[in-house]
Amino acid sequence: AQTVTQSQPEMSVQEAETVTLSCTYDTSENNYYLFWYKQPPSRQMILVIRQEAYKQQNATENRFSVNFQKAAKSFSLKISDSQLGDTAMYFCAFMKQDFGNEKLTFGTGTRLTIIP
Amino acid sequence: EAQVTQNPRYLITVTGKKLTVTCSQNMNHEYMSWYRQDPGLGLRQIYYSMNVEVTDKGDVPEGYKVSRKEKRNFPLILESPSPNQTSLYFCASSTGPYTGELFFGEGSRLTVL
Repeated sequence: AQTVTQSQPEMSVQEAETVTLSCTYDTSENNYYLFWYKQPPSRQMILVIRQEAYKQQNATENRFSVNFQKAAKSFSLKISDSQLGDTAMYFCAFMKQDFGNEKLTFGTGTRLTIIP
Repeated sequence: EAQVTQNPRYLITVTGKKLTVTCSQNMNHEYMSWYRQDPGLGLRQIYYSMNVEVTDKGDVPEGYKVSRKEKRNFPLILESPSPNQTSLYFCASSTGPYTGELFFGEGSRLTVL
């Protein structure tokens, strides 16, 4: 079974600064996906960024980027030039390539607060 | 607009009173699933469906039922709700398989007294 660990329950950072959220995972699979989801107070689960395990290049989406270390099973999220709208709960998630069940295994989340 | 729609968004009920949370998607997705979110536990999968008439248990199926009679709908049924089923519930869908991306509904907050 896969596990995902987010060791930072809460973080806060000043607006416009850079913040990094940590995530580690445990799996024996070789082919899988990793995700960061954002959950603002509206509760909607919003996909922030996705990484395919077979790709060595780290994914980026505008101000969001990841540091994917496959051997270390680490998948951190960096938010640059943080904005007030980035305040949310952030979940790291794992999905193995399984024909049938596209199950996401989630970490317990990191609550990020951007301070004006 | 492509979306996953859940109803009700909020519900307070009492122990033992059967309830159904509906989920509908308009993206012609084959795959649908249900998750529950609890503080300190993240989201956990309850049930999933690969396509019409094919469903299977996820990690926490006890106390829940599902059905998939049509591609677009995947209701979650609590036959006899108990207080430990108080949670935030999410429905999700994808084109499946190997897409690596789920589209989530807006969530349904359920309280069982």
